[in-house]
Amino acid sequence: EVQLLESGGGLVQPGGSLRLSCAASAFTFSTYVMSWVRQAPGKGLEWVSGISSSGGSTYYADSVKGRFTISRDNSKNSLYLQMKSLRADDTAVYYCATSGAAPGKRYFDYWGQGTLVTVSS
Amino acid sequence: EIVMTQSPATLSVSPGERATLSCRASQSVSSNLAWYQQKPGQAPRLLIYGASTRATGVPARFSGSGSETEFTLTISSLQSEDFAVYYCQQYNAWPPWTFGQGTKVEIK
Repeated sequence: EVQLLESGGGLVQPGGSLRLSCAASAFTFSTYVMSWVRQAPGKGLEWVSGISSSGGSTYYADSVKGRFTISRDNSKNSLYLQMKSLRADDTAVYYCATSGAAPGKRYFDYWGQGTLVTVSS
Repeated sequence: EIVMTQSPATLSVSPGERATLSCRASQSVSSNLAWYQQKPGQAPRLLIYGASTRATGVPARFSGSGSETEFTLTISSLQSEDFAVYYCQQYNAWPPWTFGQGTKVEIK
């Protein structure tokens, strides 16, 4: 069974940093585009960042560009999101999700359970 | 960026009745449209991809239709476990991947 397990969330002050991790298992991680998707309290889903299967290409929403960095380690089946200069509006549950193993199939087929990031003083 | 618009925001339906949810794209996304179900406190779950293909394990009462800019998710006979929020998402032109704002299906 495919599993995605996020960790690293917590309470951080405005302007602070946090690094999220996502441990993947039971699928060929190195063949999948991966993404982070967030959900602010009581709000909808917002795609945040994505990374190609090799890690050579990275993608960001305008709302986080320049502040967040996505990376992956295919040898460890792990995905990361380094978040800096955090703001109150970054408060959300952050989900790790697979974005398809084949071109034309970049929907989010598997999701982790999410990790809560709270930015507050 | 492709903007996805869902309607209605809230749909009140009695168990056993049919529910029809709509999703509109600001430009053509071909059939590269997915639907997700999210229950309170849970992660989203993929229901439909390719506008009309059910994901593994999704009951046949869920069906998707449409192409280009107009899409529909139909739940033929609502069960208690179907009351949730539903999101559409385009994956035709990314980044960014974009979601609709969601439709909440509640018990009437």
